[in-house]
Amino acid sequence: DVKVTQSSRYLVKRTGEKVFLECVQDMDHENMFWYRQDPGLGLRLIYFSYDVKMKEKGDIPEGYSVSREKKERFSLILESASTNQTSMYLCASSFGGVETQYFGPGTRLLVL
Amino acid sequence: LAKTTQPISMDSYEGQEVNITCSHNNIATNDYITWYQQFPSQGPRFIIQGYKTKVTNEVASLFIPADRKSSTLSLPRVSLSDTAVYYCLVGDMRGSQGNLIFGKGTKLSVKP
Repeated sequence: DVKVTQSSRYLVKRTGEKVFLECVQDMDHENMFWYRQDPGLGLRLIYFSYDVKMKEKGDIPEGYSVSREKKERFSLILESASTNQTSMYLCASSFGGVETQYFGPGTRLLVL
Repeated sequence: LAKTTQPISMDSYEGQEVNITCSHNNIATNDYITWYQQFPSQGPRFIIQGYKTKVTNEVASLFIPADRKSSTLSLPRVSLSDTAVYYCLVGDMRGSQGNLIFGKGTKLSVKP
C-alpha cells in the first residue's frame, strides 16, 4: 500500500514564526501536492511538484513556499506564519498524468 | 480552468442508492473526473475515476454524459459507514501544466 506520512498531526505556532511541514511518500511517485482544507471551502491547491527541484504554484500560493530536494520528500514552508494560515494541511502524491492521488492524514495547524 | 459545483449536503437512509452530481461546465479536453471520499480526521481517499460514459468498480459507479459538463457518483445500497464528505476533482497533471480543481465537497449523512 502507498503510504504518505506527514511530520505532525497537530501543530501550534505563534504569529511570525517560520513553520515547516514535512511530507514523505514511499512509492516513488513523480508528483507531490500541498493542499489546505477549510470549512466550506473544500481543498485548495497551494503548490505542487512534478519532479525533484521542480515546483509550480497552485491556486493559493501566497504566504507559502515549498522545497523538494529528494523525490520522496516535499516540504511546505510558512516563512512568517499568520493567523489566517490556521488550517488543515494535506499532502498528496501521485505517479503521474491522471493517476490517483494518495493523501496523508493531514496536519492541523493553529497559529496564535 | 474548470470550476466544480456540488451540493453542500445530502441525506439518505441505509440501503438506498445515492447519487451525487458535480457540475464542471468548463472541463477541458484532457481533464479527467475523479471522486474522493473523506472521513473526519483523515485525508481523502480515491473512489473512482472516469473520462466519459460509465465506469463501475466494486464500490461505486460514475456516470459522465457525452458533453462531460457534469458527472454523477452513484453509491449503491449505502450503509452508515458511507457517511462522509465526497469531493469531485476535475483536472489533469501533465508535467508543469497540471491543473486540479476540487469541488467544495458534499457531506453525505446516512441514517438508520
